[in-house]
Amino acid sequence: DADVTQTPRNRITKTGKRIMLECSQTKGHDRMYWYRQDPGLGLRLIYYSFDVKDINKGEISDGYSVSRQAQAKFSLSLESAIPNQTALYFCATSDPRQGTDTQYFGPGTRLTVL
Amino acid sequence: GQNIDQPTEMTATEGAIVQINCTYQTSGFNGLFWYQQHAGEAPTFLSYNVLDGLEEKGRFSSFLSRSKGYSYLHLKELQMKDSASYLCAVRATYSGAGSYQLTFGKGTKLSVIP
Repeated sequence: DADVTQTPRNRITKTGKRIMLECSQTKGHDRMYWYRQDPGLGLRLIYYSFDVKDINKGEISDGYSVSRQAQAKFSLSLESAIPNQTALYFCATSDPRQGTDTQYFGPGTRLTVL
Repeated sequence: GQNIDQPTEMTATEGAIVQINCTYQTSGFNGLFWYQQHAGEAPTFLSYNVLDGLEEKGRFSSFLSRSKGYSYLHLKELQMKDSASYLCAVRATYSGAGSYQLTFGKGTKLSVIP
């Protein structure tokens, strides 16, 4: 079983709809992250959480919100989707107690907003 | 802010050696990571450098010079499966957050040809 899972893997939605992307992990890591990836722009940080009670904005948080329901779950919501939110979204986890605090990524969610 | 530069594309021959360079400008440097990403898939961790010098791991090695803001990823005995994007990521202090964050370069797409 994969250590970091994301659902759904693919989603097509319409402008103005609210959608939620979910991330679950079995790695026991405290830290979780949401990124988006666009062609030519690389990975950009949306939100991150260092524990259940800690939520922080990243580089591009406008138009997004998150919820850390448990150590293992971190959800990303688009309150009112717009076409320029079409992208590949990745969840990642890390554990600073393991020395390098390396981030490990889920398989991604491909989101298309029409 | 942080600025990370790496070539957009490279081509190399199967069995040969390739070096992918990464230059960065940042404050509060706390480590440099290399990830491999096949098209449409998740980034996977390759290497980590925090001190100057060379880290070797099988066919892959990574070098860091903090004074020059420079790193490279070295791949030898290239195989067709090495065709992928290679992402350079720098961990540094994130303004206002009081914590370290990872900033990614735009990636270098490597094509290995027979």
